[in-house]
Amino acid sequence: GENVEQHPSTLSVQEGDSAVIKCTYSDSASNYFPWYKQELGKGPQLIIDIRSNVGEKKDQRIAVTLNKTAKHFSLHITETQPEDSAVYFCAASLNYGGSQGNLIFGKGTKLSVKP
Amino acid sequence: GAVVSQHPSRVICKSGTSVKIECRSLDFQATTMFWYRQFPKKSLMLMATSNEGSKATYEQGVEKDKFLINHASLTLSTLTVTSAHPEDSSFYICSALRERGLTDTQYFGPGTRLTVL
Repeated sequence: GENVEQHPSTLSVQEGDSAVIKCTYSDSASNYFPWYKQELGKGPQLIIDIRSNVGEKKDQRIAVTLNKTAKHFSLHITETQPEDSAVYFCAASLNYGGSQGNLIFGKGTKLSVKP
Repeated sequence: GAVVSQHPSRVICKSGTSVKIECRSLDFQATTMFWYRQFPKKSLMLMATSNEGSKATYEQGVEKDKFLINHASLTLSTLTVTSAHPEDSSFYICSALRERGLTDTQYFGPGTRLTVL
């Protein structure tokens, strides 16, 4: 089955710097890759997602890139702010779009943005 | 974005009692909802997939008689932890699948913290 590896497990950056979190997946059939932000004591919040028909997607300070050949995708946060501090999870899914695929999650990255 | 609610947000119960957690999709209908469990500082573990009008599909190792799931309408799924024990204490999170053809998206609820004494 699908396996998702996420690195790093913790990341500390200075406010204003960029943060990059990387994930790799094992099943080349996976076609949907969302990123979730989880603050302490709350549920995960979808912040951006990408589907296998595109290589990059951007939403203000957040961008995600996908390399299908290498089977990895990355989250990029620019101009980080203290409120970006949270745990970020990547996920991969099979068969979205008509079939109900389960999300396979990475182990999470705890991002700390220091003011 | 889509909104998913959970109730209660926190619950404390005595060992041996049953606890029901509700998951609602507030602004869309969800044929499929999911229930996850999350241990401290760990990732989300899928427990079961809840399908409206049919039986839930449980992941390997999850006791279906212990974690009862009912998806009676397109906006509500419930998880009942029966005869709860301290080891059932955890953060339970539901999600609802918003289906839009090729752009299905899973939205998560805020979670329920269960503490069994």
